[in-house]
Amino acid sequence: EDKVVQSPLSLVVHEGDTVTLNCSYEVTNFRSLLWYKQEKKAPTFLFMLTSSGIEKKSGRLSSILDKKELFSILNITATQTGDSAIYLCAVGTSYDKVIFGPGTSLSVIP
Amino acid sequence: NAGVTQTPKFQVLKTGQSMTLQCAQDMNHEYMSWYRQDPGMGLRLIHYSVGAGITDQGEVPNGYNVSRSTTEDFPLRLLSAAPSQTSVYFCASRRQTNYNSPLHFGNGTRLTVT
Repeated sequence: EDKVVQSPLSLVVHEGDTVTLNCSYEVTNFRSLLWYKQEKKAPTFLFMLTSSGIEKKSGRLSSILDKKELFSILNITATQTGDSAIYLCAVGTSYDKVIFGPGTSLSVIP
Repeated sequence: NAGVTQTPKFQVLKTGQSMTLQCAQDMNHEYMSWYRQDPGMGLRLIHYSVGAGITDQGEVPNGYNVSRSTTEDFPLRLLSAAPSQTSVYFCASRRQTNYNSPLHFGNGTRLTVT
C-alpha cells in the first residue's frame, strides 16, 4: 500500500527561526514528489522534485529529494508569521495516483 | 482564468440524503481527481479520472460515485450520506500528458452530514 509520512505533525517556532520539515514515502513506481502550502483554502504548489540531490529554491524555501533513502525535506529560513500554514507532501506514481501525507502544521509566533 | 471551480462552497445534509458535488475546470486538463480532507489526515484520494469516459478508485472510494462524460466536468455523487462523510472535499486537475505537472486545486466544498 502506498504511504507518505510527514514529521513533525505540528511545530511552533518564533519568527526568524529556521525549520526543517520531513517527508518519507513508500510507493509503487515513484514518479515525483511535491510540496504544497495550505492556508485557509486550497493547497498551493511550492515545489516538484523528480531527481535526487538537486535542491530547489524559492526565496527562503528550499527542498531536496533523496530517492535512495526515500525522503525529502523542506527548509524554511528566517521564518515569518506569513509562513504559518499546513505543509503537505505528496508523491505522484506512474499509476496516475497522487498520494498525500498528513501534513505538518507550522505556527510562527512573533 | 477560472481554473478549477467547485460548487457548492458549503452543504448540510441529513443522513441518507443524496447529493452531487460539482467540479469544473477550464484548462483543458485531462486528469481530474477528488480528495477529502479531515483533521490530521491530509488529503485522501477518493476517485480520479485520466480522461473522459475513464475513472478509477483512489484510497477511500466507498460511498462515492463519479463519472466523466466531458473533459471539463467531474462530479462526485454521494448516494446515501453518512456522518462519516462530513469533511472538506477538494477537486484537483492537471495535464495528463505531462505526468510531472502539479495539481491545481479548487477552493473546496465543506460538507456536514447530521
